[in-house]
Amino acid sequence: GDSVTQMEGPVTLSEEAFLTINCTYTATGYPSLFWYVQYPGEGLQLLLKATKADDKGSNKGFEATYRKETTSFHLEKGSVQVSDSAVYFCALRNTGGFKTIFGAGTRLFVKA
Amino acid sequence: EAQVTQNPRYLITVTGKKLTVTCSQNMNHEYMSWYRQDPGLGLRQIYYSMNVEVTDKGDVPEGYKVSRKEKRNFPLILESPSPNQTSLYFCASSPAASGRVRELFFGEGSRLTVL
Repeated sequence: GDSVTQMEGPVTLSEEAFLTINCTYTATGYPSLFWYVQYPGEGLQLLLKATKADDKGSNKGFEATYRKETTSFHLEKGSVQVSDSAVYFCALRNTGGFKTIFGAGTRLFVKA
Repeated sequence: EAQVTQNPRYLITVTGKKLTVTCSQNMNHEYMSWYRQDPGLGLRQIYYSMNVEVTDKGDVPEGYKVSRKEKRNFPLILESPSPNQTSLYFCASSPAASGRVRELFFGEGSRLTVL
């Protein structure tokens, strides 16, 4: 079945450092790919998405490119801030769309 | 304001005492779903509903029930809670039942502890 694998955390960075969180997926068909973010004490919210190969999703300085050849959707940000401290989830939703499958989540700590 | 509302946000209960976690959305979404979040396991789907009176099991349905009598509400019922159901629960909704491009909108979560 479909699955999502993302790098284990926690990831600890200093402010203004470069961030990469790796995400790979296994899926039949043509899934859409998502990154959700969960701030402390809150529910998940959509950060960005890409719906077809080579699409780049971007929001709040974060970017991720849908790479079908490597089945990856890595999250990047050039300069992180303390306010980016959160848990990040990679997810996919496949054709038919009845189920969204999530990775285990990666916790990010950003130090001032 | 468009939102998904869950209640209660926090609950401590004892084994075997029936409880219901309510979920309501005001966006006229067709699709609703329940997830549980556990450390190291991410989010796992419990049940989902494609529309009124249409529900189906997710990956971890054992010990849970749901109903969808109205479009806006999707309560999660634990008939006889057990300690392994201690978890953080999220309700989510999406505009269309099918449609791979649609994102989920989440409630703020309900933290349940079963003693």
